[in-house]
Amino acid sequence: NAGVTQTPKFRILKIGQSMTLQCAQDMNHNYMYWYRQDPGMGLKLIYYSVGAGITDKGEVPNGYNVSRSTTEDFPLRLELAAPSQTSVYFCASSFYASYNEQFFGPGTRLTVL
Amino acid sequence: GDSVTQMEGPVTLSEEAFLTINCTYTATGYPSLFWYVQYPGEGLQLLLKATKADDKGSNKGFEATYRKETTSFHLEKGSVQVSDSAVYFCALRAGNQFYFGTGTSLTVIP
Repeated sequence: NAGVTQTPKFRILKIGQSMTLQCAQDMNHNYMYWYRQDPGMGLKLIYYSVGAGITDKGEVPNGYNVSRSTTEDFPLRLELAAPSQTSVYFCASSFYASYNEQFFGPGTRLTVL
Repeated sequence: GDSVTQMEGPVTLSEEAFLTINCTYTATGYPSLFWYVQYPGEGLQLLLKATKADDKGSNKGFEATYRKETTSFHLEKGSVQVSDSAVYFCALRAGNQFYFGTGTSLTVIP
């Protein structure tokens, strides 16, 4: 199993540009999550999904959109990039049971100039 | 609401020293508790977990016990190594949500 994969690893955007961060998992997990991690800080939840076709906002959803058309994929869309979105983005997944942990991808480092 | 409070860092220890990183939580139900480790430039990896009161999670010499009476899940290791240098996150799962502490940076010097 590849686990949770994310692309790209690095990206530089100009203010106002848009992009999609890709996330895929091959563990048949129901739940998927997007977090951002600012330097020296913890994780902040952007969006999450409990299954295909179902998404919900987290703590910091403004400026982002998600979709979940399949169990495997959970792309994060940034519209009109702003410098405040400079961060490292992590995708994670888990099974639904409460004792299950999250599995994390390697992250995407995004810089908006 | 549910939350995790974690010991502030950074922590610097000499090799073979004893490590404790404190973690306390607030939750309305019966959460599962986790410790994750993040090495530089990488994603978070599960270090250990405990899913009910009095459970002890352990892995790679690290241990943590789920204490419901003190709402704590402190991470301990008896003898740290340079390779343990990383950022450690305490987390809880309540339903479909995970709540993370702010992370504690550990540096182990030879």
